[in-house]
Amino acid sequence: QSVLTQPPSASGTPGQRVTISCSGSSSNIGSNSVNWYQQLPGTAPKLLIYSNNQRPSGVPDRFSGSKSGTSASLAISGLQPEDEADYYCAAWDDSLNGVVFGGGTKLTVL
Amino acid sequence: EVQLLESGGGLVQPGGSLRLSCAASGFTFSSNAMSWVRQAPGKGLEWVSLISGSGGSTYYADSVKGRFTISRDNSKNTLSLQMNSLRADDTAVYYCAKSVIAVAGTSYWGQGTLVTVSS
Repeated sequence: QSVLTQPPSASGTPGQRVTISCSGSSSNIGSNSVNWYQQLPGTAPKLLIYSNNQRPSGVPDRFSGSKSGTSASLAISGLQPEDEADYYCAAWDDSLNGVVFGGGTKLTVL
Repeated sequence: EVQLLESGGGLVQPGGSLRLSCAASGFTFSSNAMSWVRQAPGKGLEWVSLISGSGGSTYYADSVKGRFTISRDNSKNTLSLQMNSLRADDTAVYYCAKSVIAVAGTSYWGQGTLVTVSS
């Protein structure tokens, strides 16, 4: 059972917009910034969003992040086949004194 | 270019020990906190441990506390994870990572090393 809660799956057709939610608590998302990672099969995770809504250099602006209270969301617009991957949210947890991850969301592009 | 190269994975019996290493290059190692993150086969990411740049502060997930020890040698730019009393549920790919919680727009991960705990 992950500390951060994500839906196990999401799907969309090319060109659509999809959102993935991440629910936490006051000790993690409520008081710290959220990162989002994309993981393609057999590869290490890649940073997609940091500080709730910032994109690292090289990440397309189709990817956006937001945070409100103890929840965060990742939005992907103009869905492309290469976006099919697993997505994870992460944050520091002040009570656990460690990093907590969401369980991951498998995105399927239909 | 930042590079993180893990080594030391392999097959170990339950109750056994293993030491993972991560060779870092391309950045000022001693100025950066480092983490170990693992991923069991077909499962999600699980943070394991973090050590501050100086090595003076360490943090562990409850699942490994008392069994794993994180350490670093800043003179050799090397991060280590000593794993004792290994259990079947420790089986995973172990990643060495810099800035798992990125605040400056970058996060670097190694390619991972597989640890299999089985008799």
